[in-house]
Amino acid sequence: DAGITQSPRHKVTETGTPVTLRCHQTENHRYMYWYRQDPGHGLRLIHYSYGVKDTDKGEVSDGYSVSRSKTEDFLLTLESATSSQTSVYFCAIRIQDNEQFFGPGTRLTVL
Amino acid sequence: AQSVTQLGSHVSVSEGALVLLRCNYSSSVPPYLFWYVQYPNQGLQLLLKYTTGATLVKGINGFEAEFKKSETSFHLTKPSAHMSDAAEYFCAVSDQRARGGGNKLTFGTGTQLKVEL
Repeated sequence: DAGITQSPRHKVTETGTPVTLRCHQTENHRYMYWYRQDPGHGLRLIHYSYGVKDTDKGEVSDGYSVSRSKTEDFLLTLESATSSQTSVYFCAIRIQDNEQFFGPGTRLTVL
Repeated sequence: AQSVTQLGSHVSVSEGALVLLRCNYSSSVPPYLFWYVQYPNQGLQLLLKYTTGATLVKGINGFEAEFKKSETSFHLTKPSAHMSDAAEYFCAVSDQRARGGGNKLTFGTGTQLKVEL
């Protein structure tokens, strides 16, 4: 079975500080995704990756950057966190037929 | 561009009653369609999916959904609700092309299902 871990699971930070969230998969799935979940908006795609060092923007990418130096790790960085980035962040991997398997999420609060 | 509309952000049913959660989509190409469930403080879990073939799809926990191309719908049903079904449900669409577009999913805004005694 596919496995995804996200770290940290909870984080409280202050406006203007940099934050990096990590997603780690235990298999070699090519596609990885970062979403944010907010009430009334469902899940919105931030960035995705289709291979090592291959990434592209999603619909809400402003203020976020990503990196993928290894197949198993996909990092999401908030260069300078803002209160509007308070959210729950989910990582996902593409399994088959575009089905995605989701991690447990990271709850980020920006004060 | 693809989009998903879930009618009703909150649905309440009695235990033992029929569950019907509505999903309509728009897509210019043949779609893959998904229903995910999210229990409190957890990630999303796949309930069922439609790719090709039979339009009535059965999933976990007694849920099923029917792909109706003429109505661009993929409504989720369960004959008899259980208290454990209380959760948030998300419909999602993706196109069937194997390449391009990042194989992305577009999600609806979710429906919170409440099950009452």
